[in-house]
Amino acid sequence: DAGVTQSPTHLIKTRGQHVTLRCSPISGHKSVSWYQQVLGQGPQFIFQYYEKEERGRGNFPDRFSARQFPNYSSELNVNALLLGDSALYLCASWVGPENIQYFGAGTRLSVL
Amino acid sequence: QQQVKQSPQSLIVQKGGISIINCAYENTAFDYFPWYQQFPGKGPALLIAIRPDVSEKKEGRFTISFNKSAKQFSLHIMDSQPGDSATYFCALYPPRGFGNEKLTFGTGTRLTIIP
Repeated sequence: DAGVTQSPTHLIKTRGQHVTLRCSPISGHKSVSWYQQVLGQGPQFIFQYYEKEERGRGNFPDRFSARQFPNYSSELNVNALLLGDSALYLCASWVGPENIQYFGAGTRLSVL
Repeated sequence: QQQVKQSPQSLIVQKGGISIINCAYENTAFDYFPWYQQFPGKGPALLIAIRPDVSEKKEGRFTISFNKSAKQFSLHIMDSQPGDSATYFCALYPPRGFGNEKLTFGTGTRLTIIP
């Protein structure tokens, strides 16, 4: 079975641009979360979605938004990119009752 | 915001030795305490996890020790191998409930196993 897949793997943008990152969860998983991992740090929670509804939001500005589609795939959007948005963006999916979160390989975003 | 203090930041262990990584957390109830392993260019992969009603869990060469009263838990890697060289993150997972299933990660430990 395929794991969590994310695209693209790498992305280079300039300040002020916007970016869309995509995630396909493991088949059968209805919950998706997004995390930001800055180099040298642990992942930080951004969003959680279940059945297309936002169920949780971390401490990130409104420039960050996300959505989940009927097939449970998800998009993370970041507007007005800043240098500090450069990071590895991780998507995780899971299903109850164990709620173990499985991560994709991430999208490496570089903002110049 | 809940924080997890993880130590050491980096660790070098000889092949065959024991690697020990520690984490401490603050005052909140959690559902389980996982450890994730991350290789360069990869996402974190669940290594082993423990629930707070258990003091120790062992899976192969990996053991979690949990001290609920001290709010600390640690990962022990026995007979460490070069393939164990990676970054390890402890994490906290809150009690189940929609809108609450977010992992809070430690700062990570870069483990290097030398021959």
